[in-house]
Amino acid sequence: AQTVTQSQPEMSVQEAETVTLSCTYDTSESDYYLFWYKQPPSRQMILVIRQEAYKQQNATENRFSVNFQKAAKSFSLKISDSQLGDAAMYFCAYRTPETQGGSEKLVFGKGTKLTVNP
Amino acid sequence: GAGVSQSPSNKVTEKGKDVELRCDPISGHTALYWYRQSLGQGLEFLIYFQGNSAPDKSGLPSDRFSAERTGGSVSTLTIQRTQQEDSAVYLCASKQGIPYEQYFGPGTRLTVT
Repeated sequence: AQTVTQSQPEMSVQEAETVTLSCTYDTSESDYYLFWYKQPPSRQMILVIRQEAYKQQNATENRFSVNFQKAAKSFSLKISDSQLGDAAMYFCAYRTPETQGGSEKLVFGKGTKLTVNP
Repeated sequence: GAGVSQSPSNKVTEKGKDVELRCDPISGHTALYWYRQSLGQGLEFLIYFQGNSAPDKSGLPSDRFSAERTGGSVSTLTIQRTQQEDSAVYLCASKQGIPYEQYFGPGTRLTVT
């Protein structure tokens, strides 16, 4: 079974600085998707960034970028120029493509709580 | 357009009572998921509906949990004879199809006293 591990329960960063959140996963499949979701106190899960495993290029969305190391099964999130609004729980998630016969459910890590200090 | 909505936002119930949680997916989304988030934990998959196919119920923790999706749209998650360990946030998500992302609702916080 696929598992996702986030080894940092909490992280903090100064406003305008850069922070990296770690994520590792375990799978025997070669084709899959990885995601980072943000969950503010409102509970709404918000998609931050997505990475397809077949793509070697790391995904980037404005101040958010990933370091995807497929062989090491590592998928870290870098937040540049941190803002107060970035404070939230961040969840790493793995998804099996439905084309492989799975139900395409998301498997989540336990999350990292990010605090941004002014 | 409107996002995924869930009701109620919060629900407090007594141990042993039945509860129903509702999810309204985004219009046109064929796939619908239920997840459970216990305190300090990540999200745990419960059940998945895709179109008219049989649902994937592999994540339901016990036979006290059930869910249905009527007319391919609204879904109801029912928990019978609630227990204190059922206390959690229940999140619903919907998706348009392959390979689109899941869009989450705001969740229902269930507290069993």
